[in-house]
Amino acid sequence: DTAVSQTPKYLVTQMGNDKSIKCEQNLGHDTMYWYKQDSKKFLKIMFSYNNKELIINETVPNRFSPKSPDKAHLNLHINSLELGDSAVYFCASSLRLPGGKETQYFGPGTRLLVL
Amino acid sequence: AQTVTQSQPEMSVQEAETVTLSCTYDTSENNYYLFWYKQPPSRQMILVIRQEAYKQQNATENRFSVNFQKAAKSFSLKISDSQLGDTAMYFCAFLNPSNNNDMRFGAGTRLTVKP
Repeated sequence: DTAVSQTPKYLVTQMGNDKSIKCEQNLGHDTMYWYKQDSKKFLKIMFSYNNKELIINETVPNRFSPKSPDKAHLNLHINSLELGDSAVYFCASSLRLPGGKETQYFGPGTRLLVL
Repeated sequence: AQTVTQSQPEMSVQEAETVTLSCTYDTSENNYYLFWYKQPPSRQMILVIRQEAYKQQNATENRFSVNFQKAAKSFSLKISDSQLGDTAMYFCAFLNPSNNNDMRFGAGTRLTVKP
């Protein structure tokens, strides 16, 4: 039983290409997130969606466009890939409870390598 | 904005011994949540333990416990009876429910358990 799944796990592509990473959760959560982990292991939030509505949008190039077709899915599309986009991208989900009593659960990550 | 600081980039411990990982944070919020996540070589982000700021009692999960000092803004993780499988990166994280449950991570501590 995979709680938060991401596809693909590995993605190798050329500069300038457009690619998508998909995320799905079967936990019944209403909030989903995208994080980027760089080569130094630093983990930083990119986006957050609650009930398909964007609620957190950090300073991320507009080449990155998240899409949430429903509460269980949050996909990340990246246009015109650059070398600096190489990283591990993590999807996470949580249930927003009253008082913020929530915990984020992470997917296995997608390692993106731009050549 | 909240910041999370992990001052120990790397640590090591002998199997069966106890180790403490440090974490400090900076915030003006009174209500927040703190987490420790473990990232083994498999790259998966695994929740280790969580602490609600309004609770004075330190959280405990089996061999893992925290020392939460709210006034000092300190949140250290103690691992007792260290096992080889505890070898991983450990990330301290701060969640702010007042800001759409925005979660910020420290830079991580690489822990190696030696046989």
